[in-house]
Amino acid sequence: EAAVTQSPRNKVTVTGGNVTLSCRQTNSHNYMYWYRQDTGHGLRLIHYSYGAGNLQIGDVPDGYKATRTTQEDFFLLLELASPSQTSLYFCASSDANRWDSDYTFGSGTRLLVI
Amino acid sequence: QQKVQQSPESLIVPEGAMTSLNCTFSDSASQYFAWYRQHSGKAPKALMSIFSNGEKEEGRFTIHLNKASLHFSLHIRDSQPSDSALYLCAVSMRSGYNKLTFGKGTVLLVSP
Repeated sequence: EAAVTQSPRNKVTVTGGNVTLSCRQTNSHNYMYWYRQDTGHGLRLIHYSYGAGNLQIGDVPDGYKATRTTQEDFFLLLELASPSQTSLYFCASSDANRWDSDYTFGSGTRLLVI
Repeated sequence: QQKVQQSPESLIVPEGAMTSLNCTFSDSASQYFAWYRQHSGKAPKALMSIFSNGEKEEGRFTIHLNKASLHFSLHIRDSQPSDSALYLCAVSMRSGYNKLTFGKGTVLLVSP
């Protein structure tokens, strides 16, 4: 079954620490996205990509880097983590050939920065 | 930049009731309109979508779109406790890819 798998499920890091969140999709989708979800803000787009080596800036990119190494794998990097980045992070994928494609989301990574 | 707003923020309905959720958007050129449902601790999952004015029904769920009013809605007939979840509306433009802009969500609780 097509899926989006995120790891880790939970992560605790200290302020200033280095964190990498991983996402792998088996949907054969070109587009992949990183969102953060916070109470009162909904889902906000951090970065997205339409293929290996490509990166596009989302709506809330500050403090985040991302890298798409293959069609399947998309990583979100926090190089100097801050408490404001404590959040629930979702990865998603969609079909590049359909402008009306639904998103398939991963199960999320809950990040706590202390 | 597209603005998507949902109402109400939260809603409690008795089992068996009709539930109505609303979503407004700001860009009249928007082409695709969707509802996602997120149960507690789970990933959002696509529920229904529409891209032309009118209604679309799937089981107990109906989506209604009025582009002129910049408004679409989700109606749940015979609401069940299992429908209790966060409902997110999403809108995209017709472009080379579908960048979805989400609303903040409506928390629905269906009481048995």
